[in-house]
Amino acid sequence: EAGVVQSPRYKIIEKKQPVAFWCNPISGHNTLYWYRQNLGQGPELLIRYENEEAVDDSQLPKDRFSAERLKGVDSTLKIQPAELGDSAVYLCASSLAGGPGTDTQYFGPGTRLTVL
Amino acid sequence: RKEVEQDPGPFNVPEGATVAFNCTYSNSASQSFFWYRQDCRKEPKLLMSVYSSGNEDGRFTAQLNRASQYISLLIRDSKLSDSATYLCVAPGGGANNLFFGTGTRLTVIP
Repeated sequence: EAGVVQSPRYKIIEKKQPVAFWCNPISGHNTLYWYRQNLGQGPELLIRYENEEAVDDSQLPKDRFSAERLKGVDSTLKIQPAELGDSAVYLCASSLAGGPGTDTQYFGPGTRLTVL
Repeated sequence: RKEVEQDPGPFNVPEGATVAFNCTYSNSASQSFFWYRQDCRKEPKLLMSVYSSGNEDGRFTAQLNRASQYISLLIRDSKLSDSATYLCVAPGGGANNLFFGTGTRLTVIP
């Protein structure tokens, strides 16, 4: 069975440019997460979806970040405009259901973003 | 105070050694905890779940101390392949999200 798929794997952009990341979760997984991981740190949650509903976006910088999960499957995360401090690895994860405290999260390989 | 705190290391140990990592969490109501392993430039992968006092899987033992609010991971007979970053994970916040520690880096030396 395929795992969580993310694209692109790497992205280099200049500051103030827009960028978008795409995630395809494991088939049948209702919960989808976007995390940001800075160098030397653990992943930090940006947004969590239950099906197509964003149930927690409290850590998403809404002035420049947006996300959507149309039809409750694939998801995109967008940054516009990007800033130097946005350089990080953006990880997508999915789980079956039942909430993040009880369900194993499976991570995709991540998108490594470099903002110049 | 951070939701989850752990010693970033690095821990450099010889093959065959026993090594232990500790992690503290702030949410006293948390019921389930996890240890994830992350190899260099790879995604985190679940190593162990801890729902009660502890869990053991081969050379790996995770223990939970609710009174002191800490979790530990013990690795016995370290292998070169155990070299990785180990992330402590606990629920927290009003939305019951998972919070990851900064990770503890382990290098097993031949």
